[in-house]
Parts: sequence; C-alpha cells; structure tokens
Amino acid sequence: ETGVTQTPRHLVMGMTNKKSLKCEQHLGHNAMYWYKQSAKKPLELMFVYNFKEQTENNSVPSRFSPECPNSSHLFLHLHTLQPEDSALYLCASSQDTLSGGRGFLSGNTIYFGEGSWLTVV
Amino acid sequence: AQKVTQAQTEISVVEKEDVTLDCVYETRDTTYYLFWYKQPPSGELVFLIRRNSFDEQNEISGRYSWNFQKSTSSFNFTITASQVVDSAVYFCALSEALRGYSTLTFGKGTMLLVSP
Repeated sequence: ETGVTQTPRHLVMGMTNKKSLKCEQHLGHNAMYWYKQSAKKPLELMFVYNFKEQTENNSVPSRFSPECPNSSHLFLHLHTLQPEDSALYLCASSQDTLSGGRGFLSGNTIYFGEGSWLTVV
Repeated sequence: AQKVTQAQTEISVVEKEDVTLDCVYETRDTTYYLFWYKQPPSGELVFLIRRNSFDEQNEISGRYSWNFQKSTSSFNFTITASQVVDSAVYFCALSEALRGYSTLTFGKGTMLLVSP
C-alpha cells in the first residue's frame, strides 16, 4: 500500500471542462511533486512544492494550475485542456533535507502515487 | 545538464532466466544519487533502490542486484531467476542537488516482459 494516494485514478474530460486531480501523502513529507508521463516520452517534472511553497514550475502551460493547501495535500486543477494533455499524472512526495541554499546536498527518495490516467476528448 | 540513458527499450525473457537492465548517466555534479523504479501496468512507480555517488559497493536484495560503476557512469540492474511478476517498465533516475529538495531526471525506461 502506497503512502501517496491519488484520486481519481481515471478521468475523462472534454476540452471545455474544469476538473481537479487530488493527491494526499501520509508519509509526513514536506515536499510534493507533480510529474507527467506521456506515451513514448520520459517522465517530466511539472511542479514542486516545498513546505507548501511552489519552488519549481517547469514551464507548464497555465491550463494546469497547482494548489498546495498544506504539506499533505496537493491538487492539480485542469482547465481547457487539449487532447495532447492526455497522460498519466503522477504525484510524489519526499522528505526535504533543509531549505534554502543552492548546492545543498539532496537526493532523498521520492515516493510516487499510483497516478491518475487522464484522457482529454 | 543531467541525462540518463536506458538503451534497451524492451527486453523479453523466459521465466527463470537472468536479465540485466542497463543504465548510463551523465552529470557534472560530484555528489549525486541514483535510483531504480519499477512501474507495473497499474501505473504506480515503485521505489526499488537509492545509491549515492560515494558508495560504489554493489548491493543485493533477494533476486535483485545492482552494479554501480562510477568509472563508466553506469548503474545496472540484474534480476536473477526472473518471474512473470517482474514484468513491468523499469526506470533509472538521477537526482540533482537543487535548492534543498530532490528532483529526478529519468531515463526513458526499459519494458521487461517475462513469459512463462
């Protein structure tokens, strides 16, 4: 049983719909992530939240809007998506070492949820 | 820039065969971490192992073993006596030391098919 749970597991939405993906982690971690996995492409980091603050936005289009109300929950709000956005969206978490300072040694294990399969029609 | 290469796109073996999945990485960092994850058809990425760049000791866990060679920038994964349940996509990943949290650069994955 994973310590990171995602809902819904499957979602089909039209291009004009608004939907949200939810992620909850039960591991006591303080960093949370959204990754996107498309067919034939490597896993892509989308967003990173560290202590509820967004610290990384990997040039993601504005039709994807993350929200992190606390260290245990992460949302991905979806609005006017395109068919090419169909993918597996994976949430993950890790225990941050210490905040601040480029070059600080990191590398803690990132634990993933089961993913949300999104189909945009 | 960091890069992870998994040259084998797909490997097919028969149950009980040994199989090695290759991983080659590139990084300018002197300190880094390497990972292997397993992704079954359900989609979840299951963590298998994490190694830091200072520890080149090979590791064995049951039927799994990992061979880390810094001189060739490789971190290969061997499954001994493969089983059908080992069928999955396996990802090798490299961790950057960036702003105090972990980010992963993934390879494209190797699909392993184990037939009975």
